[in-house]
Amino acid sequence: AQSVTQLGSHVSVSEGALVLLRCNYSSSVPPYLFWYVQYPNQGLQLLLKYTSAATLVKGINGFEAEFKKSETSFHLTKPSAHMSDAAEYFCAVETSGSRLTFGEGTQLTVNP
Amino acid sequence: EPEVTQTPSHQVTQMGQEVILRCVPISNHLYFYWYRQILGQKVEFLVSFYNNEISEKSEIFDDQFSVERPDGSNFTLKIRSTKLEDSAMYFCASSEVFSGGSYNEQFFGPGTRLTVL
Repeated sequence: AQSVTQLGSHVSVSEGALVLLRCNYSSSVPPYLFWYVQYPNQGLQLLLKYTSAATLVKGINGFEAEFKKSETSFHLTKPSAHMSDAAEYFCAVETSGSRLTFGEGTQLTVNP
Repeated sequence: EPEVTQTPSHQVTQMGQEVILRCVPISNHLYFYWYRQILGQKVEFLVSFYNNEISEKSEIFDDQFSVERPDGSNFTLKIRSTKLEDSAMYFCASSEVFSGGSYNEQFFGPGTRLTVL
């Protein structure tokens, strides 16, 4: 079964520092992978998606992710954190029937 | 920009009562979904719906749950007899069908927070 694992339930960075949120996937077929962001008391917003085109995917708000088949990873990065990036981030994989299977989530804190 | 809407934003109910959560998907979308997120836990798939029938459901979606598209715009989730453990945020999502069979980007609504007392 396809699944994703997010390493680190909480990540804390300083404003201006690199953001790295880790996601590893398990899939026997080329996966469709996603990163969603959830701001407090809001719904899920798509940050970016990998659908087997370019391995480096650029998303909104300066985020990007690189699909690495050899490492079964799809880590999310942003060169310089902003206070407004504080939120919960979910990695997800599309499984059969178009359902999304989400990871446990990573809470990102940005310190001034 | 088109968006998925959900009502109510917060519903409080007594254990054993029936609740109906409502969603208005994006108008040209044909696939509809419900997910839930228990406080502090990950988002979990409940059910997908296409062409007026359930496409897929998870093990969570037991007989106390049902979904319906009562008219051309609404998509509802009914919980017949709520339990304490049904307390969660419920998200509706919708997607457009791509003729090539490629993935369907799901657009999520803001959620309904259900509190069962």
